[in-house]
Amino acid sequence: DIQMTQSPSTLSASVGDRVTITCRASQSISGWLAWYQQKPGKAPKLLIYKASTFGRGVPSRFSGSRSGTEFTLTISSLQPDDFATYYCQQYYSFSYTFGQGTKLEIK
Amino acid sequence: EVHLVESGGGLVQPGGSLSLSCAASGFTYSDYWMTWVRQAPGKGLEWVANIKQDGSEKYYVDSVKGRFTISRDNAKNSLHLQMYSLRAEDTAVYYCARNLWSDHWGQGTLVTVSS
Repeated sequence: DIQMTQSPSTLSASVGDRVTITCRASQSISGWLAWYQQKPGKAPKLLIYKASTFGRGVPSRFSGSRSGTEFTLTISSLQPDDFATYYCQQYYSFSYTFGQGTKLEIK
Repeated sequence: EVHLVESGGGLVQPGGSLSLSCAASGFTYSDYWMTWVRQAPGKGLEWVANIKQDGSEKYYVDSVKGRFTISRDNAKNSLHLQMYSLRAEDTAVYYCARNLWSDHWGQGTLVTVSS
């Protein structure tokens, strides 16, 4: 199975900061990677798919990029609504593994 | 508007069985792969199973192979997960989602496996 290593596991930041979350695949997954945001007690929400394509209604401060097997989710200017947990997921090869998650906290 | 509503969760004893359903609306259900994802209390997300549009292909995470069965009824716009030989480690909120990259999710249904 493909392993997805997500970092950091926790990130403390302030409103207005630029933050980056990284996900590394254990082998090539081409660009078949999605990013999700999850708030406590709620279902996840799709942010990005195919590494860099926006999900419906996702603000433009979110962006995704790829360099080989390393994928990055960037939030250009944190807003209060962005403090949540973020997950990456590869959908290149079954089983479709998720990263361990990154909890974005208010500093 | 896309709507996914799970049902069927509850408390079950170890070794028992449970059947989950997901009612879909607001899109052409038969055009999409469908997915089950679960989340144990306080833990991360775990992909469980996928089923192709016509039901001809099904894939499972290793930990549920031989115990869980995913199915769909395109005439009724419904997705199902039949779970057998349940274990404590199957305790989780189970979400149904649309598509291979889960672009829409239901609200989830809690399955608790405990004596």
